[in-house]
Amino acid sequence: KAGVTQTPRYLIKTRGQQVTLSCSPISGHRSVSWYQQTPGQGLQFLFEYFSETQRNKGNFPGRFSGRQFSNSRSEMNVSTLELGDSALYLCASSLTSSGRGNTGELFFGEGSRLTVL
Amino acid sequence: AQSVTQLGSHVSVSEGALVLLRCNYSSSVPPYLFWYVQYPNQGLQLLLKYTSAATLVKGINGFEAEFKKSETSFHLTKPSAHMSDAAEYFCAVSAPSGGSYIPTFGRGTSLIVHP
Repeated sequence: KAGVTQTPRYLIKTRGQQVTLSCSPISGHRSVSWYQQTPGQGLQFLFEYFSETQRNKGNFPGRFSGRQFSNSRSEMNVSTLELGDSALYLCASSLTSSGRGNTGELFFGEGSRLTVL
Repeated sequence: AQSVTQLGSHVSVSEGALVLLRCNYSSSVPPYLFWYVQYPNQGLQLLLKYTSAATLVKGINGFEAEFKKSETSFHLTKPSAHMSDAAEYFCAVSAPSGGSYIPTFGRGTSLIVHP
């Protein structure tokens, strides 16, 4: 079974530009979460999508947005990039978002490393 | 609300020595607890998880962790370190919130293994 796939793996942008990152979850997984990882702040939760609906959102500005498609694939977008947005963006999928059997166990992709110049 | 504190941002051990990575959690409801490992330029991989069954949990690569409710701890151990264990380790706590389980991660502990 294929794991979580994130594209692109590496990208460089300049301040003010916008970027879109893509995530394909494990087949059958319906919940997709996004995390930002930086040396200073560690792993910070961005948002979670389930059945094309945003279920939870972290404490990030509105420049950070996402969506989920009917096949559970997800994208996140960051507009008006700032230097501080340089980070590793991790996507994680899980079998379900809630209900019996869900413990919050996540399956992570390898991440998209964004550098903002 | 839930939180995780990992004591020590760096832990250095010799190959063959005991590995002990400390994690304390805070949760208003009975939590699920996890340890993840991250190798350079990779995502996180689940090492083990506690889901209210046995308090001593065995994971992959010889790691285990013990849930101690009275101490609100979930420390990770391995009897004998290998060079390949050098990585970043994250403790996470997950509790139901608004119908979802959103893990909160600690800041991570970098394990350094000396030959």
